[in-house]
This record gives sequence, structure tokens and C-alpha cells, in this order.
Amino acid sequence: GENVEQHPSTLSVQEGDSAVIKCTYSDSASNYFPWYKQELGKRPQLIIDIRSNVGEKKDQRIAVTLNKTAKHFSLHITETQPEDSAVYFCAACYNYGQNFVFGPGTRLSVLP
Amino acid sequence: GAGVSQSPSNKVTEKGKDVELRCDPISGHTALYWYRQSLGQGLEFLIYFQGNSAPDKSGLPSDRFSAERTGGSVSTLTIQRTQQEDSAVYLCASSSWGDTQYFGPGTRLTVL
Repeated sequence: GENVEQHPSTLSVQEGDSAVIKCTYSDSASNYFPWYKQELGKRPQLIIDIRSNVGEKKDQRIAVTLNKTAKHFSLHITETQPEDSAVYFCAACYNYGQNFVFGPGTRLSVLP
Repeated sequence: GAGVSQSPSNKVTEKGKDVELRCDPISGHTALYWYRQSLGQGLEFLIYFQGNSAPDKSGLPSDRFSAERTGGSVSTLTIQRTQQEDSAVYLCASSSWGDTQYFGPGTRLTVL
């Protein structure tokens, strides 16, 4: 089955700096890669996603890149702000949602 | 429109008692997932329902855990003879076929 690894497990950056979180997956059949943000005590919420027919997607300060050959995808946050502090989860999905596997999460702290 | 709802929001029970957790998915979503999240940990997959197909129960940790989805909509997760290690937040999510998962607010279960 699919296995998703995520690095780093914790990340601290200064406000205004960029943050990058990387995920790798094992099953080349995976074709949908969402990223979720979970603030303390709240539910995970989708922040950006990418499908396998696209190499990069951007939404304001957030971007995701996908390398299908290497089977890895990354989340990029630019100009970080304190409200970006949260746990971020990547996920890989194939077989139309039947196999939806989350990474273990990255705790991002943006220091003022 | 209405999002995923879960009830109760909090449940405190005594060890050995049975509990039922309810999830109302977004109307029209064919897929429904249950996850367990212990404090500060990642998302542990429990069970997945997709339309009328047999559910994927591969994540259920023991035979004390079971889930039903009636009429392709509402789902109930039942934990029998609860143990202290069952204490966690139980999250439900729903999605359209092969698309983004939308999470409910979760049920915080505390087993005394």
C-alpha cells in the first residue's frame, strides 16, 4: 500500500522567511496530493492541492510542487506570518479516494 | 452550504462502557472517512466508506471498534468496552469521488 513520509517533523522560521515542507510517497499510482493545515484544537483544513497532471500550483503565499518521477511533493510558504503557525499534513491519494494516506505532520512555528 | 457535522463534540465515559459517535457528511458526498487523532499526533485512519461498496476496515485497531453508514449518508462509529487508550479526538471527513476531504469538528472522547 501507499506510504507517505514527511520532513521535517518540526520547523521554526523567523517571520517573513520562507518555509518548505517535503513529502515523499511510495505508490506511483497516486494522483492527488492535498495539503492540510491544522491549528491547535481545530480540524484539518485544506490549504492547497495538486493533481498529477500539474507540476506546480500557487495560491498567494502558498505553492505546491510535484515531481512524479521522484515521487515527492513540497509545500512552500513565503513571507511567513505568525498565523501560519500550525501543523501541516500532506496526503497522497489514488484509486479515486480509496487509498488516502496522510503524512505524519510538520509542526511549523513562525517566530515574531 | 453545511459542512461535516459530528456529535457529540465531547464525550466522557467510564472504562468498559460503550460509546457511539455520529457523523453527518456533506450532502452528496459519496465517501466518508473516520480518523483518530491522539494529542499532538497525526491522523490515524480507521475506516472508509465509498458509496455502496464494502467499507475498508483495515485501520480499525481492534474488534471493539465498528462503524456503519446508513443510507449512504450518516455514519456511526461504535467503540465497545472502552479503554483508556481509546481517549482521543475522533474526526470524520467526507469527499466527492476522488476529491478533497472535508473534516468535521471532531468528537473528543475521554475514557476515565
